[in-house]
Amino acid sequence: DGGITQSPKYLFRKEGQNVTLSCEQNLNHDAMYWYRQDPGQGLRLIYYSQIVNDFQKGDIAEGYSVSREKKESFPLTVTSAQKNPTAFYLCASSGPPRNQPQHFGDGTRLSIL
Amino acid sequence: AQKITQTQPGMFVQEKEAVTLDCTYDTSDPSYGLFWYKQPSSGEMIFLIYQGSYDQQNATEGRYSLNFQKARKSANLVISASQLGDSAMYFCAMRRNTGGFKTIFGAGTRLFVKA
Repeated sequence: DGGITQSPKYLFRKEGQNVTLSCEQNLNHDAMYWYRQDPGQGLRLIYYSQIVNDFQKGDIAEGYSVSREKKESFPLTVTSAQKNPTAFYLCASSGPPRNQPQHFGDGTRLSIL
Repeated sequence: AQKITQTQPGMFVQEKEAVTLDCTYDTSDPSYGLFWYKQPSSGEMIFLIYQGSYDQQNATEGRYSLNFQKARKSANLVISASQLGDSAMYFCAMRRNTGGFKTIFGAGTRLFVKA
């Protein structure tokens, strides 16, 4: 089945530690996205990528980094510069035509130890 | 800059009645798409309905319809004949169709359906 796989489902970060969230898709989609969701809140865009080796900052990119070396993969690193990383992180992808919705992974819940 | 506003943090509706969830947006792009998603307590995102900026007719999908008023920049979701299973968070989203397909979401509306 085609879809998006996020791992791990739960992740704990220690102070000063960088952690990487995995996102893999087998939908052959060009565009991929990372969102952060705080409890009871909406999704805020962290980074997005339209094609391999290219990505743009979203609205809350500070303290995060991404790479897009392969079409299928768009990992997100939460760096130690992100002082409040506790949140639910959702990865999504989308492909043509324009009326196609984003496909989402099941999310990673990140907490501080 | 793009912006999505959902002004209703929470809404109550009686089972079997219709409910309208508001969404207004701001963009300078001439071509864009508007989406509504449902997020149950399990956290998954479920796509409901899509409206393109050049679509002449309002979109409908089963019990969901979109009241699109382009001049007012609003894209309200109407759910008819509410069911208990409709209780969830609902998000309005906008995707630009040029320059990287940036997609942003509103803050959401939590819908409670009463028996």
